[in-house]
Amino acid sequence: NAGVTQTPKFQVLKTGQSMTLQCAQDMNHNSMYWYRQDPGMGLRLIYYSASEGTTDKGEVPNGYNVSRLNKREFSLRLESAAPSQTSVYFCASRGTPPSFQETQYFGPGTRLLVL
Amino acid sequence: SQQGEEDPQALSIQEGENATMNCSYKTSINNLQWYRQNSGRGLVHLILIRSNEREKHSGRLRVTLDTSKKSSSLLITASRAADTASYFCATDSGNTPLVFGKGTRLSVIA
Repeated sequence: NAGVTQTPKFQVLKTGQSMTLQCAQDMNHNSMYWYRQDPGMGLRLIYYSASEGTTDKGEVPNGYNVSRLNKREFSLRLESAAPSQTSVYFCASRGTPPSFQETQYFGPGTRLLVL
Repeated sequence: SQQGEEDPQALSIQEGENATMNCSYKTSINNLQWYRQNSGRGLVHLILIRSNEREKHSGRLRVTLDTSKKSSSLLITASRAADTASYFCATDSGNTPLVFGKGTRLSVIA
């Protein structure tokens, strides 16, 4: 079991460039999430997918798009990167409550620097 | 917006001492969870307490929940240098994403 994996681990972009952050989970979880973490701001939810085929906006969706490719994979795309998107991005997954899978599992993060 | 708010924002203690951090939230919940984040890593789940529970233990961790005050506390007993990390509470209100607080940074000095 790899849990939640993310690629890449690090990325440097120039303003205006695009990129896709990849996330995959092997725990058969229904729900997947993308967060960003900035100093002093805690975790902020960007987008989530409660189940395969559905996606919803979180707290800070502007400038991002997502795709739930299948049950395992949930990607985050930056169409035109801006310096304000410099952050650490975390993907997470969770089973469907009520169950013993109510806890959330996080990937190792992607560090993104936009110049 | 973030529902859970941890207090204090930062805490520094000596090895062997107990560390207590608190979490307040605003709306009714099904459960409250605590997570730990080591520097540069993803969050790891520590413990979950349901809304009908008042106290729960796991090893050196003790969590309390007071739904009337909408607050929870996490106690780490006999702290170790390896406990140095950020700790986050997260509230679960049902079929919505978990809402995380901003975290408490704990430093345990050897």
